[in-house]
Amino acid sequence: DAEITQSPRHKITETGRQVTLACHQTWNHNNMFWYRQDLGHGLRLIHYSYGVQDTNKGEVSDGYSVSRSNTEDLPLTLESAASSQTSVYFCASSGDFQETQYFGPGTRLLVL
Amino acid sequence: GQNIDQPTEMTATEGAIVQINCTYQTSGFNGLFWYQQHAGEAPTFLSYNVLDGLEEKGRFSSFLSRSKGYSYLLLKELQMKDSASYLCAPMDSNYQLIWGAGTKLIIKP
Repeated sequence: DAEITQSPRHKITETGRQVTLACHQTWNHNNMFWYRQDLGHGLRLIHYSYGVQDTNKGEVSDGYSVSRSNTEDLPLTLESAASSQTSVYFCASSGDFQETQYFGPGTRLLVL
Repeated sequence: GQNIDQPTEMTATEGAIVQINCTYQTSGFNGLFWYQQHAGEAPTFLSYNVLDGLEEKGRFSSFLSRSKGYSYLLLKELQMKDSASYLCAPMDSNYQLIWGAGTKLIIKP
């Protein structure tokens, strides 16, 4: 069955370190998204991609970067982790612009 | 600006019916999604409305009024497993989902 996976599921890191969160989907979806979710807030869009070599900034992109070298993967990199980036990170994918987004299981990141 | 308004928390009794309301303001509109999110888990898709009216899917129904910027999710025959957060997410003219903080639904026996 097609799916979307994220790794690691839990991560503890230190302030200033570079961290990469992986997202892999086997739906063959063109669109992929990274969100963060914090208590009291809705999901906030970090970066998104509409296809290979395409990346776009979301509303909270500062301190994050992504690259899309193939259809299946959209890794999210925190260049220099900050305590404010402690959050739950969700990756999602969709086949086309108005289609449903399907979410991965999430990565819980703690920055000490 | 873009804005979503949902109640923060609701409580209902097992076997009953509950309606979760959502009002929204977006730049353009390309439909509205409802997702369910259990604590500690990922959001999962429930429904999508792009035209006015009611969409029924088993125990769950979703209604949309585009002119009023209003939607609701209706849950019937509530079960304990329906305890979760329910997220209303309209899609704007750039095909971006605009997320509210969600409604936490507590089901009591």
